[in-house]
Amino acid sequence: DAKTTQPPSMDCAEGRAANLPCNHSTISGNEYVYWYRQIHSQGPQYIIHGLKNNETNEMASLIITEDRKSSTLILPHATLRDTAVYYCIVRVAGDNAGNMLTFGGGTRLMVKP
Amino acid sequence: KAGVTQTPRYLIKTRGQQVTLSCSPISGHRSVSWYQQTPGQGLQFLFEYFSETQRNKGNFPGRFSGRQFSNSRSEMNVSTLELGDSALYLCASSRTGTANTEAFFGQGTRLTVV
Repeated sequence: DAKTTQPPSMDCAEGRAANLPCNHSTISGNEYVYWYRQIHSQGPQYIIHGLKNNETNEMASLIITEDRKSSTLILPHATLRDTAVYYCIVRVAGDNAGNMLTFGGGTRLMVKP
Repeated sequence: KAGVTQTPRYLIKTRGQQVTLSCSPISGHRSVSWYQQTPGQGLQFLFEYFSETQRNKGNFPGRFSGRQFSNSRSEMNVSTLELGDSALYLCASSRTGTANTEAFFGQGTRLTVV
């Protein structure tokens, strides 16, 4: 799987958009970009994923650059409950690739009042 | 719809003992994968089961094993426990386990080895 690089920590003001960057410059054409978050000592929570098009759901938006070497997760109106560690992961496609997620260090997002 | 259920939530064992952890996936999900999370190593993949067969395995010693039943429920076993096995053990289930299907995690089992 391609390696990802994320800033170790970020701050965001409550009510503002949180933009979390991820670099995956070695991503291959069949690898998906996934985002998960983990609130202290809980299981990781799925947020969103995409291949090459931008994606949006009720939680967030995922913007993938045209060359797919980087992406940004956007939380449009951050709340205190969005304080968590955010993980950007790339996953290989293919039936035998399975459900193996390779977690890096993630970005610790602190939302402040 | 019920989420991924892991039991027990907390466990204390003595060094040298063995332990079995259980994971009930979301209904209809056939892939179950297991992860270990420690402060030093972060989240690491242990193994994945799909339709009762181990499909992928991480870089862990043979003391860590697992299995999956016909109803997709999964168990993982750690034998001859060491102090370093103290960790949060997480399982995740997915409908098919392919790259375009998201995986959902349980709340984990926190194992303490004394």
